Amino acid sequence: DVKVTQSSRYLVKRTGEKVFLECVQDMDHENMFWYRQDPGLGLRLIYFSYDVKMKEKGDIPEGYSVSREKKERFSLILESASTNQTSMYLCASSLPGDRFDTQYFGPGTRLTVL
Amino acid sequence: QKEVEQNSGPLSVPEGAIASLNCTYSDRVSQSFFWYRQYSGKSPELIMSIYSNGDKEDGRFTAQLNKASQYVSLLIRDSQPSDSATYLCAASYGNKLVFGAGTILRVKS
Repeated sequence: DVKVTQSSRYLVKRTGEKVFLECVQDMDHENMFWYRQDPGLGLRLIYFSYDVKMKEKGDIPEGYSVSREKKERFSLILESASTNQTSMYLCASSLPGDRFDTQYFGPGTRLTVL
Repeated sequence: QKEVEQNSGPLSVPEGAIASLNCTYSDRVSQSFFWYRQYSGKSPELIMSIYSNGDKEDGRFTAQLNKASQYVSLLIRDSQPSDSATYLCAASYGNKLVFGAGTILRVKS
């Protein structure tokens, strides 16, 4: 079974703080993704990575950065948290070459920025 | 802009009935399609994936794909209260997925 874990289920931060969200997968997947999910908007892709030290912007990268120093770990960084970044953050991974490009999700981190 | 459209619902069906969930996508390039189930406060869980035109069955679930009409559907037979959740449709573009906003399904006992 694929296992994707995220460092926190719930997180409360203050405006202006630097926030780190960590994601780890144990299936040797090359591709990793960060999404945010807001009511009525579905899942929106923030960043993704297809290899160590490689990253590409998704649809809403503003205000976020990422780091992938090891294959199994993909971190999302909010440089200066703002209230409009309050959301559910979901990490996912997939195996390139898998015919279906199936993505497997972690449990999510519900971030509240006060 | 690649888009995946779903009716937000809620779709209400009685227990034991067939629930029919629909999805359309905008880009003919997409090759693979997915249905994820998401319970409130939880992360999405893959139910079905479909690649070829036609039907694919897995237990009580049937996914249907019509690439000419750019249409994907999910049928849930013998619906149970435990099927009550939000169902997300997704289409692949390269190694990325584009998700619809989801359809809320409520199964009433």
